[in-house]
Amino acid sequence: QQKVQQSPESLSVPEGGMASLNCTSSDRNFQYFWWYRQHSGEGPKALMSIFSDGDKKEGRFTAHLNKASLHVSLHIRDSQPSDSALYFCAASGAGGYKVVFGSGTRLLVSP
Amino acid sequence: DAGVTQTPRHEVAEKGQTIILKCEPVSGHNDLFWYRQTKIQGLELLSYFRSKSLMEDGGAFKDRFKAEMLNSSFSTLKIQPTEPKDSAVYLCASSLGGTGGGEQYFGPGTRLTVL
Repeated sequence: QQKVQQSPESLSVPEGGMASLNCTSSDRNFQYFWWYRQHSGEGPKALMSIFSDGDKKEGRFTAHLNKASLHVSLHIRDSQPSDSALYFCAASGAGGYKVVFGSGTRLLVSP
Repeated sequence: DAGVTQTPRHEVAEKGQTIILKCEPVSGHNDLFWYRQTKIQGLELLSYFRSKSLMEDGGAFKDRFKAEMLNSSFSTLKIQPTEPKDSAVYLCASSLGGTGGGEQYFGPGTRLTVL
């Protein structure tokens, strides 16, 4: 059973549009969340982390965490074709829990 | 700063062969991970080392998969014997550890094809 579930599986947005990706965990031990991005032929690369409830903004990327509902989202405004990639949500808990990755959302930004 | 290095980038093996994949983590990182990535299963953890000690051996993978960390700057993943279902991308990642495990830095991966 997946402890970290992502939706949608794939998403297509026009250039300049807003992309919204979702992630829900089923383990209340998870306290720390990351978003990773993987371009074709490369390894995943961390985009941003979020550990506290609320919003965290880094440039065009905004992450939102609600620990009560174990839900984290990533919003990409002014999407660019270079944002086309596979996006992973990852979660971990305190006390040495390993990081658990979701199955990913494939984002396509069309010019 | 050098990132995570993986060699080879591509490997083709016949069924039953032994293959060894190599990884050099980011200098100073305490944690090292081996993952397998497929379209169907996504990212699956194979092994996890903390300060060179094996913390997780991947459960179902341990029969034919063996990861070793010979020193803090080099790790290998041996698959013996290989099977066609092992065809996948194998990723190595390292991390400083710390709060919640810390951010993981991934290498470019080794694409393995088993015929």
